[in-house]
Amino acid sequence: GQSLEQPSEVTAVEGAIVQINCTYQTSGFYGLSWYQQHDGGAPTFLSYNALDGLEETGRFSSFLSRSDSYGYLLLQELQMKDSASYFCAVYTGNQFYFGTGTSLTVIP
Amino acid sequence: GAVVSQHPSRVICKSGTSVKIECRSLDFQATTMFWYRQFPKKSLMLMATSNEGSKATYEQGVEKDKFLINHASLTLSTLTVTSAHPEDSSFYICSARDHGRLHHGYTFGSGTRLTVV
Repeated sequence: GQSLEQPSEVTAVEGAIVQINCTYQTSGFYGLSWYQQHDGGAPTFLSYNALDGLEETGRFSSFLSRSDSYGYLLLQELQMKDSASYFCAVYTGNQFYFGTGTSLTVIP
Repeated sequence: GAVVSQHPSRVICKSGTSVKIECRSLDFQATTMFWYRQFPKKSLMLMATSNEGSKATYEQGVEKDKFLINHASLTLSTLTVTSAHPEDSSFYICSARDHGRLHHGYTFGSGTRLTVV
């Protein structure tokens, strides 16, 4: 089976940095993705890591350690619009399986 | 960029009736599409993988006779919730991958909120 764990809720101050962790146990692993979902909306793609290390895309960075079955999403210079749910997702080569999701609240 | 259109966005139906949800890839061909279900404040649960021209592959615990999937063309997959009951009320989302993109990111439809009364 597939298991992806994330913290359920995180609160951070506008302008700060926040890290959302993801640990996974899956049968088959090609890479780890991160998606953002605002209330009532569709998930939108943020990043994909196939290899160990840090990938940076603007204010968002994503890290993967395959040996530790662990990754994280780093959000810098937080803005109010970053308040949303964030999901990690493992790509098995055929499908994506999603984590439990982290609700991020950015406060002034 | 890759666009996936999902229709309808909201539907309310009576218990016992069937509802069809469409998922279209607008600017690319998708041999494979995926159907997810999401409960409020919960994660996306993969229901099935829809394959063009062949039978869908269902995840464990998903009733294939309840959730009928048809992928008749390279740009259209449909999910039909048959004999809907209130417990089928949920947010259903489809996704597809444009193989021309490099990042393995799948594009999602806007979702369908189904309410069974």
